[in-house]
Amino acid sequence: GIQVEQSPPDLILQEGANSTLRCNFSDSVNNLQWFHQNPWGQLINLFYIPSGTKQNGRLSATTVATERYSLLYISSSQTTDSGVYFCAVEEETSGSRLTFGEGTQLTVNP
Amino acid sequence: EPEVTQTPSHQVTQMGQEVILRCVPISNHLYFYWYRQILGQKVEFLVSFYNNEISEKSEIFDDQFSVERPDGSNFTLKIRSTKLEDSAMYFCASRLQGRTGELFFGEGSRLTVL
Repeated sequence: GIQVEQSPPDLILQEGANSTLRCNFSDSVNNLQWFHQNPWGQLINLFYIPSGTKQNGRLSATTVATERYSLLYISSSQTTDSGVYFCAVEEETSGSRLTFGEGTQLTVNP
Repeated sequence: EPEVTQTPSHQVTQMGQEVILRCVPISNHLYFYWYRQILGQKVEFLVSFYNNEISEKSEIFDDQFSVERPDGSNFTLKIRSTKLEDSAMYFCASRLQGRTGELFFGEGSRLTVL
């Protein structure tokens, strides 16, 4: 099956800093989503972005499908941005399941 | 904005008991899913469901698990005889189309098996 690798596994920032999270995947995809898992365990949809670039407030994401990676940018980070960020992809050629990466644990300190 | 809702948010049960987790997908969606996340691990696919039958399931989804759409709005996951290792967060998801488009996730049901 498709492999999804996220980096870095852990990231500690001071409030106000910017960061870039990366997601590499091993095969062609027809779906890519970024999620934020908050401290209560809830999965929050951030972006549906199989290709191209999207922005939502301080967050933006870019997927370069031909090179099999996606980036999530967080600008002017806040303590409420803390949590785990997951990338999940759906393989183009088989099935209809999302395969999640291991996630990036982000801690934003005041 | 339409959303996927799940109940209960947290359930504690004794090993060997049956558990039913409930989900109300977004009303015009046709494809439904269950995912599981054991504490500290990544989210894993369990099963997908379309047109009143399972369309795909993972190796995790063994005979202890079943899914059902008992009426026009609910989608349930049943665990027949819970084990300690079933303790996890269970997420329901839905979408309009089967192989493309965004999956919308519920907030999850945390199951603790004692």
